[in-house]
Amino acid sequence: QITLKESGPTLVKPTQTLTLTCTFSGFSLSTSGVGVGWIRQPPGKALEWLAVIYWDDDKRYRPSLKSRLTITKDTPTNQVVLTMTNMDPVDTATYYCAAIVGATTFDYWGQGTLVTVSS
Amino acid sequence: QSALTQPRSVSGSPGQSVTISCTGTSSDVGNYNYVSWYQQHPGKAPKLIIYDVSKRPSGVPDRFSGSKSGNTASLTISGLQAEDEADYYCCSYTGSYTFVVFGGGTKLTVL
Repeated sequence: QITLKESGPTLVKPTQTLTLTCTFSGFSLSTSGVGVGWIRQPPGKALEWLAVIYWDDDKRYRPSLKSRLTITKDTPTNQVVLTMTNMDPVDTATYYCAAIVGATTFDYWGQGTLVTVSS
Repeated sequence: QSALTQPRSVSGSPGQSVTISCTGTSSDVGNYNYVSWYQQHPGKAPKLIIYDVSKRPSGVPDRFSGSKSGNTASLTISGLQAEDEADYYCCSYTGSYTFVVFGGGTKLTVL
């Protein structure tokens, strides 16, 4: 059974750096083809892909946010970390991590964590 | 990286069929057979219901089907049930640099 869970602060101040951790089970990031991605959803709005990291440490970032995002993995502990710098109120959203088993599809999702950016 | 275009809302009565369209470009939907669909109930995480245009993950009812023609992908839900009322998002691979793009989402109301 594949499960993922996001953790991190629920409130950050503008200009601060957000660090989110995705802890997963049921699969390994040492398995060929597997990846973990981050997707966010502002309140009442659509899904927006942010970043993905694959088993071989290949990384992809949303071009418009690339300068602010860093994604890393810790394979032995089954964790993926996303950092986003210079947070702004428009970054207020529910942040999801998701497992990529089929190369380009978000097959399994975490429950999401709401991050509010406010002073 | 523009979002894929979906109708904001669709509706249908129980037992009927509805189709949700997802229009992209020749750089995304039209160029790859990597379109996926996600169902999201209020306050819940999205759930994968269709991948690679028309494949269903294990456990997804065969009432859900996907197709593609040119730059437009479609999700059809037949035999509508009350529990199908949710938001639906399409997603397409866009190449190794931009990776994927989501649609704006469609709210399905079961009358």
